[in-house]
Amino acid sequence: DAMVIQNPRYQVTQFGKPVTLSCSQTLNHNVMYWYQQKSSQAPKLLFHYYDKDFNNEADTPDNFQSRRPNTSFCFLDIRSPGLGDAAMYLCATSGGGPHTAKNIQYFGAGTRLSVL
Amino acid sequence: DAKTTQPPSMDCAEGRAANLPCNHSTISGNEYVYWYRQIHSQGPQYIIHGLKNNETNEMASLIITEDRKSSTLILPHATLRDTAVYYCIVRVHNYGQNFVFGPGTRLSVLP
Repeated sequence: DAMVIQNPRYQVTQFGKPVTLSCSQTLNHNVMYWYQQKSSQAPKLLFHYYDKDFNNEADTPDNFQSRRPNTSFCFLDIRSPGLGDAAMYLCATSGGGPHTAKNIQYFGAGTRLSVL
Repeated sequence: DAKTTQPPSMDCAEGRAANLPCNHSTISGNEYVYWYRQIHSQGPQYIIHGLKNNETNEMASLIITEDRKSSTLILPHATLRDTAVYYCIVRVHNYGQNFVFGPGTRLSVLP
């Protein structure tokens, strides 16, 4: 029944080695979001896609990129992970549009990234 | 910055009602109040949202004051599985305004 699926749940990478996290959804939602959540902190939005339109948050480092090849999938690429990028990465989706119910965000379980 | 303030932590006895307050004194007329919770090591989970009327669903009730400057999330019969961080978020209904999560309230339901 999982609607927003993130793989893997745990990812270990080496300092400076590129890593890709994946997210898929079965909700056919227009909007997909990526959040970063560091230990004991609240989630922080990195960027989102509305269909194919990419929207970057102003303070998201260039080290973080994203791809959305189709409606169902979205990827988070970290080009050169640093120790400070160790965090939980959360993917979320929403229907988009003006109706409030379409703007409820549904989150995946997250991928916990460790950088060695 | 988050537009809400919440107590950092609360305790509640199992089986009792948990009342989680949220202040949003600068809320504007077109902003809704959303509540999410995050159980340890999981993604946030939607609970409920409202504009000005009180709302109830299978999970909780949301009470919004008449001036809309504060609200209370009520879990009527808290269970141990309700132990989580609860986030109160205000935003306009358009998708383009994204969620800004504050620190939330860590609710501990005690046996």
